[in-house]
Amino acid sequence: NAGVTQTPKFRVLKTGQSMTLLCAQDMNHEYMYWYRQDPGMGLRLIHYSVGEGTTAKGEVPDGYNVSRLKKQNFLLGLESAAPSQTSVYFCASSYSIRTSGNSYEQYFGPGTRLTVT
Amino acid sequence: GENVEQHPSTLSVQEGDSAVIKCTYSDSASNYFPWYKQELGKRPQLIIDIRSNVGEKKDQRIAVTLNKTAKHFSLHITETQPEDSAVYFCAASNFGNEKLTFGTGTRLTIIP
Repeated sequence: NAGVTQTPKFRVLKTGQSMTLLCAQDMNHEYMYWYRQDPGMGLRLIHYSVGEGTTAKGEVPDGYNVSRLKKQNFLLGLESAAPSQTSVYFCASSYSIRTSGNSYEQYFGPGTRLTVT
Repeated sequence: GENVEQHPSTLSVQEGDSAVIKCTYSDSASNYFPWYKQELGKRPQLIIDIRSNVGEKKDQRIAVTLNKTAKHFSLHITETQPEDSAVYFCAASNFGNEKLTFGTGTRLTIIP
């Protein structure tokens, strides 16, 4: 099992450019999440999904959009990148409360380092 | 929404000594409290968690305690080793809320 994978690993964008980050998981998890990690600010939730075709806003959703067309994939889009979106982005996935049994662990991907100049 | 505060932000401990990291939460409905460890350049990984129906949980050298009345929980690492050097994050969640709220992290350095 590959677990949670993210594409790309690194990216440099100019202000105003757009891009999509791809997250894929092969654990049949219902829930998927996108976080950003900035120094001194921990992990902040951008958007999340509790199932195929459903998404919801997290703590810092402005400037981002997401889609979950397939259960195993969760895409994060930046329509017009800004320097404030320079960050490390982590995707995570987990079982739902109903199917998790005894595990509520979130499994994280390796991260994408994005720089916006 | 939930707010989780974590202290200290940095902690240096002599190898073999104990380390304690503390977190407070604001939402009294929160009932699940995991701790994640992130080594330099790596992804966060769950190391231990506790639910609100217990006050303490241990796993070898690490333990977590929970005080629901005071709304705080702590991570205890005993007999620290160099491989314990990492950033540790606490988090809180309410079952059915599907989301974790993370603290801002503690950078733990073990001094050989």
